[in-house]
Amino acid sequence: GAGVSQSPRYKVAKRGQDVALRCDPISGHVSLFWYQQALGQGPEFLTYFQNEAQLDKSGLPSDRFFAERPEGSVSTLKIQRTQQEDSAVYLCASSPQGARGTDTQYFGPGTRLTVL
Amino acid sequence: SQKIEQNSEALNIQEGKTATLTCNYTNYSPAYLQWYRQDPGRGPVFLLLIRENEKEKRKERLKVTFDTTLKQSLFHITASQPADSATYLCALVSASKIIFGSGTRLSIRP
Repeated sequence: GAGVSQSPRYKVAKRGQDVALRCDPISGHVSLFWYQQALGQGPEFLTYFQNEAQLDKSGLPSDRFFAERPEGSVSTLKIQRTQQEDSAVYLCASSPQGARGTDTQYFGPGTRLTVL
Repeated sequence: SQKIEQNSEALNIQEGKTATLTCNYTNYSPAYLQWYRQDPGRGPVFLLLIRENEKEKRKERLKVTFDTTLKQSLFHITASQPADSATYLCALVSASKIIFGSGTRLSIRP
């Protein structure tokens, strides 16, 4: 594919619902990152995968947030029992190598989640 | 705690002038610093990376400096154009952490 894709682009959920956000990274990219971006703020790190291994999940705000990348390509970020403070844009990025942060990250367009 | 500040929320300058954006950080020793551009409704796009042992990096009309003593990076766009209008984010990279600033919204008026 041409770049990182994310789906859905927009998601509206009622408080308490579970949501699943999908990321398709660039084919062959080893590293995959999830970020949360609130309005007017920079992206905040959530979690990092190297292939299928989740090497860092220190940024996940609570145990309601769960991410997986079972085959080392597509990743899903799941949020259980959504709360209003979860409303944000969720960005996915991938990079070619395993060394985190030392090469270019390619970002997807993001999923805008609104929790009512 | 670690903190990154970008000089202002918004910067408005005349086309043709040089835009200068600032990124200051505290309680941090980054190995690399990256600058990204973000347009509304889109993900950030990587522009430049500078390493801690590099003073300056250039790419076309872009120039980045990195002063580890002052704990500051400056991002310059020369001969600015309305198409340069966007939000610019700095990101500090150290060991296994990546921290983004909140961004500066740059507007270039014709």
